[in-house]
Amino acid sequence: DAMVIQNPRYQVTQFGKPVTLSCSQTLNHNVMYWYQQKSSQAPKLLFHYYDKDFNNEADTPDNFQSRRPNTSFCFLDIRSPGLGDAAMYLCATRGGGEETQYFGPGTRLLVL
Amino acid sequence: GENVEQHPSTLSVQEGDSAVIKCTYSDSASNYFPWYKQELGKRPQLIIDIRSNVGEKKDQRIAVTLNKTAKHFSLHITETQPEDSAVYFCAASIRNSGYSTLTFGKGTMLLVSP
Repeated sequence: DAMVIQNPRYQVTQFGKPVTLSCSQTLNHNVMYWYQQKSSQAPKLLFHYYDKDFNNEADTPDNFQSRRPNTSFCFLDIRSPGLGDAAMYLCATRGGGEETQYFGPGTRLLVL
Repeated sequence: GENVEQHPSTLSVQEGDSAVIKCTYSDSASNYFPWYKQELGKRPQLIIDIRSNVGEKKDQRIAVTLNKTAKHFSLHITETQPEDSAVYFCAASIRNSGYSTLTFGKGTMLLVSP
């Protein structure tokens, strides 16, 4: 059974049109991460939540926002997508007492 | 912050050969080192990990070694098979009051030829 679920799997948006990506988990993990991964590159951490405590990476653009309404769900909002934001967006979770991160299948974003 | 260097960027081997991927890290406080395998268009999947209190760990054809003094760790795959072809990422993290983030290496594309 899927443990970290991301929807949609593919998202096409227009330049400047806001888009929201979603992540849900059945693991009851208290830590959730959002990564951006461009072609042939490593995943790049955008931000993460430890419970409701939000932690933004210093180089994450202001264009990227996140919401975590409850333990199971986390959203990535891109307010004004640019062509350079086309990438795979990966959600990951971790139990507070563990080190292992579990990745979702990702959402591939295309910006036209 | 932490910096992880990974080599080589690409590695081609014949089926049945061994493959070795090496990583170095900069922060001596790092204490957890996972390796992820990512096939094209799929999610990264944890294949093996090691903690700083262990020097070596093995799981069937895969092994990881850690040298804390030199701050480097390596992934060893023996008897490679075509299905081992993928991009492999090493990572390092520091546990700090429950907050933990991974710093990834840039990845190694492994190609196993039949």
